[in-house]
Amino acid sequence: KAGVTQTPRYLIKTRGQQVTLSCSPISGHRSVSWYQQTPGQGLQFLFEYFSETQRNKGNFPGRFSGRQFSNSRSEMNVSTLELGDSALYLCASSPGGGGLGNNEQFFGPGTRLTVL
Amino acid sequence: AQKVTQAQTEISVVEKEDVTLDCVYETRDTTYYLFWYKQPPSGELVFLIRRNSFDEQNEISGRYSWNFQKSTSSFNFTITASQVVDSAVYFCALSEARNTGTASKLTFGTGTRLQVTL
Repeated sequence: KAGVTQTPRYLIKTRGQQVTLSCSPISGHRSVSWYQQTPGQGLQFLFEYFSETQRNKGNFPGRFSGRQFSNSRSEMNVSTLELGDSALYLCASSPGGGGLGNNEQFFGPGTRLTVL
Repeated sequence: AQKVTQAQTEISVVEKEDVTLDCVYETRDTTYYLFWYKQPPSGELVFLIRRNSFDEQNEISGRYSWNFQKSTSSFNFTITASQVVDSAVYFCALSEARNTGTASKLTFGTGTRLQVTL
């Protein structure tokens, strides 16, 4: 089974621009979560999508948004980029489907965003 | 609120030494999950183990073992006979247990960087 894929792997943008990151979960997985990793704040939860609906959201400004498609692929968008948005953005895939055992999350390789 | 503390920022050991990474957590939930992830220099978080709060049995997987103690809110990870390939940042994480079929938000510790040298 293929793992979680994220594109692009590296991205360089300038302040004020916007960016879209993509995540394809493991085949059959229906839940996709996004995390931001920075040296200062560590790993922080952005949001989670299940069956095209946002189910949970972290404490990030509205410039950060996401969506999920019917095939479970997800995108996240950051508008009006700031220097502090430079980070590794990780996507996690989870089976979903009910029951306490379905929250095991498998991570992709991440997209490293640099904002100049 | 949930919190995970990994007090050891960095550990250096010589190959073949045993090493224990500490993890202490705080949560008001009665049912929750604990995780360990490994992050090599490539950046991808590699899942190592998940433990639910009502199963306090220790687990061993090859050179890896985990000690879960609810009484002290700790979930420590031991690598026996460490190898250079074990060099990475290790994260402990906590999530609530949700019966909704969706993944729960993971609360991560700050990570412990393990350096194994020859």
